[in-house]
Amino acid sequence: DAGITQSPRHKVTETGTPVTLRCHQTENHRYMYWYRQDPGHGLRLIHYSYGVKDTDKGEVSDGYSVSRSKTEDFLLTLESATSSQTSVYFCAIYRGTGNTEAFFGQGTRLTVV
Amino acid sequence: AQTVTQSQPEMSVQEAETVTLSCTYDTSESDYYLFWYKQPPSRQMILVIRQEAYKQQNATENRFSVNFQKAAKSFSLKISDSQLGDAAMYFCAYRRQGGSEKLVFGKGTKLTVNP
Repeated sequence: DAGITQSPRHKVTETGTPVTLRCHQTENHRYMYWYRQDPGHGLRLIHYSYGVKDTDKGEVSDGYSVSRSKTEDFLLTLESATSSQTSVYFCAIYRGTGNTEAFFGQGTRLTVV
Repeated sequence: AQTVTQSQPEMSVQEAETVTLSCTYDTSESDYYLFWYKQPPSRQMILVIRQEAYKQQNATENRFSVNFQKAAKSFSLKISDSQLGDAAMYFCAYRRQGGSEKLVFGKGTKLTVNP
């Protein structure tokens, strides 16, 4: 869907290197979210943003930072990648009636070797 | 903290038959939303159905319907006339009412559809 785009779609990186994932939306939504998906855990919230330069932590925020300098872009940074951060990362916005329905990007599969 | 529990890691159904996926949740809130998301092998998260807690009527979307029991904090998904394309991971999710409220997900149920 053109409303939300994640990049890259796949990435392999080495332990200890910094990695930045990008989420780009074209619909001017205020709230944006980063989740990670791991087998047996479902999706867990890493960080979220409720406006430009306004962000907050989710339940699994350790080792991650975020930035939102423009409404359309929400960046997730792994400051020093570890193997435990190998995961699929999803960005989400809210849409639909009353902006209650989460709409997800295509996901980024990150492998830390 | 709110929690969502899906007690069936895997389920299977024969094509054209009906299957029910279970979900329970824990919350002290009275106003909230519940969702079922489908994740096929393509990895895309697709909204299947939503339910507002204040509505007593169960939501229905074509072959998909829910059984929402607010007092029991139960939110099951029924898929009728199952199709091969229904094979996927299904996630139950809860969201408290409010603009910034995050989704809380269950761990998922993998549904296999047998021809």
